[in-house]
Amino acid sequence: GQNIDQPTEMTATEGAIVQINCTYQTSGFNGLFWYQQHAGEAPTFLSYNVLDGLEEKGRFSSFLSRSKGYSYLLLKELQMKDSASYLCAALDSNYQLIWGAGTKLIIKP
Amino acid sequence: ETGVTQTPRHLVMGMTNKKSLKCEQHLGHNAMYWYKQSAKKPLELMFVYSLEERVENNSVPSRFSPECPNSSHLFLHLHTLQPEDSALYLCASSQDPGGEGTGELFFGEGSRLTVL
Repeated sequence: GQNIDQPTEMTATEGAIVQINCTYQTSGFNGLFWYQQHAGEAPTFLSYNVLDGLEEKGRFSSFLSRSKGYSYLLLKELQMKDSASYLCAALDSNYQLIWGAGTKLIIKP
Repeated sequence: ETGVTQTPRHLVMGMTNKKSLKCEQHLGHNAMYWYKQSAKKPLELMFVYSLEERVENNSVPSRFSPECPNSSHLFLHLHTLQPEDSALYLCASSQDPGGEGTGELFFGEGSRLTVL
């Protein structure tokens, strides 16, 4: 079956770096998304990777390894506003999104 | 502001009530979606409309009935719901992911539903 795994919760310190991992098993693959969702708000798009490698976008970077079925989201210089849930989702061969349960990131001062 | 507006933001209903959730997108997208979000669970896709035709119905109980009168509006009609249907219902829109682009989803803020 199709599956996405990511940690349920992570804690990090303001100013530090955190890496949120995601592994996926899908029928075919057309890319991987990361979304951010603050409590009580809509998920918002962070990144899309379809080729292997690292894509950097300001303080946030996303990495993909298609051969390993693995991605991570790297957050640098953490700020309190980065406290949120981070959702990993893979696009399968039918362009259906397979979602992980999300990683709740808690930032401490 | 994501360009996708959902109303109401909060809804409390009894099991015998009939209510509707409304979604409107101002982004010119050709696909609209209903998702159910429950605590600590992956987003569950309920319905997909592409070019106003329903293309996906993930074994959703008939007490949930979608309606897409045009490419900008999507409704979810609710009837005789169960307490386990209490959740956040998210509407989203995108350009058809099978076409050009990534199919990035733009979500509304959600409608928090409580069934008593």
